[in-house]
Amino acid sequence: EAQVTQNPRYLITVTGKKLTVTCSQNMNHEYMSWYRQDPGLGLRQIYYSMNVEVTDKGDVPEGYKVSRKEKRNFPLILESPSPNQTSLYFCASSLQGQEQPQHFGDGTRLSIL
Amino acid sequence: AQKVTQAQTEISVVEKEDVTLDCVYETRDTTYYLFWYKQPPSGELVFLIRRNSFDEQNEISGRYSWNFQKSTSSFNFTITASQVVDSAVYFCALSLSTGNQFYFGTGTSLTVIP
Repeated sequence: EAQVTQNPRYLITVTGKKLTVTCSQNMNHEYMSWYRQDPGLGLRQIYYSMNVEVTDKGDVPEGYKVSRKEKRNFPLILESPSPNQTSLYFCASSLQGQEQPQHFGDGTRLSIL
Repeated sequence: AQKVTQAQTEISVVEKEDVTLDCVYETRDTTYYLFWYKQPPSGELVFLIRRNSFDEQNEISGRYSWNFQKSTSSFNFTITASQVVDSAVYFCALSLSTGNQFYFGTGTSLTVIP
């Protein structure tokens, strides 16, 4: 089954404790992306990647890091999480860039205390 | 700068009514892509439609229809004879040929009352 898998689905942690949210897709998609969803703000793009070793900032990259060492994986790293990063996070992938629709993971709800 | 505006934050309709969700976008690019996604209460994001800037044909899929008008920079979504299962948050999104970012609107929460 074609899917985008995020882990964990839920996480409660404390300020400053590094965390990684994993994202993996099994569709051989080139484009992968991370979004955060906040009430009243919709989805905002954090980072995206056109292919292996190619990543770019979206609209809200501050406080986040990503890497794309393999085509299927695109982890989101919060080196020193803060409460304002409490949000619902989505990973997405598409076959090639901005022309095609994205397939989304089920979301990760992060709470930073 | 906001590139996609969904001015309707929340809409409530009674079942079987028709409802239109508005989407206005902003770009100077001549080539761009517009999308609609549905987020039901279960939380997943479901792709509904994609339209490129050179295709202004309206599209109908069952009870769903989309009206793309470049003259007004709008890509509106109409649900005919709404059903309770249509209750969800609907997002409009834009991507540009220059750059590889996606820009989402703030979403419209639709509640269909039985």
